[in-house]
Amino acid sequence: AQSVTQLDSQVPVFEEAPVELRCNYSSSVSVYLFWYVQYPNQGLQLLLKYLSGSTLVKGINGFEAEFNKSQTSFHLRKPSVHISDTAEYFCAVSGTSYGKLTFGQGTILTVHP
Amino acid sequence: GAGVSQSPSNKVTEKGKDVELRCDPISGHTALYWYRQSLGQGLEFLIYFQGNSAPDKSGLPSDRFSAERTGGSVSTLTIQRTQQEDSAVYLCASSFTPKETQYFGPGTRLLVL
Repeated sequence: AQSVTQLDSQVPVFEEAPVELRCNYSSSVSVYLFWYVQYPNQGLQLLLKYLSGSTLVKGINGFEAEFNKSQTSFHLRKPSVHISDTAEYFCAVSGTSYGKLTFGQGTILTVHP
Repeated sequence: GAGVSQSPSNKVTEKGKDVELRCDPISGHTALYWYRQSLGQGLEFLIYFQGNSAPDKSGLPSDRFSAERTGGSVSTLTIQRTQQEDSAVYLCASSFTPKETQYFGPGTRLLVL
């Protein structure tokens, strides 16, 4: 079985500040890792994914994440946030045979002016 | 091109009634997934289709829930004898192959009174 823990339910930051959203996972098998974003009243949009290779993954909107196998973590970072980044962010894992996603509980990022 | 579409966008029903939720995946996508998003349980996997067959139904919460997919395209999620705890947003996602990126629809918001 797989599980995902997002360590912060809410993260408030000021505009242009850096941000890190934390994610830890547990799995007995190899996994793929994902970050999705959900803007208010919208569906889920993929930000970035780690399948294999370089542990630093760059995604859309200036976000990046680093896969750390020893710490079973996949934290999401952005060096300078904008008001428009205000949304809920979900970390997820899947097995490697098909895409059944197990999600974390989500982190609400609120960017203040 | 067209994304994943779901209908209806909102559904209000009375406890005990049956409901059908529809998902139209992106054309050519062979894999289709249903998820549920609720306040209490977060985002949960329900069922996975590859073509018209469902090799993983492990997330269906009870035998009141069923789903089918026809022609390798449209999928219908049916909830019989709805209960208040079924109130949630039901999300559909599709991918070109089971290992590729999933694209999510906007969801159907179900409210059981």
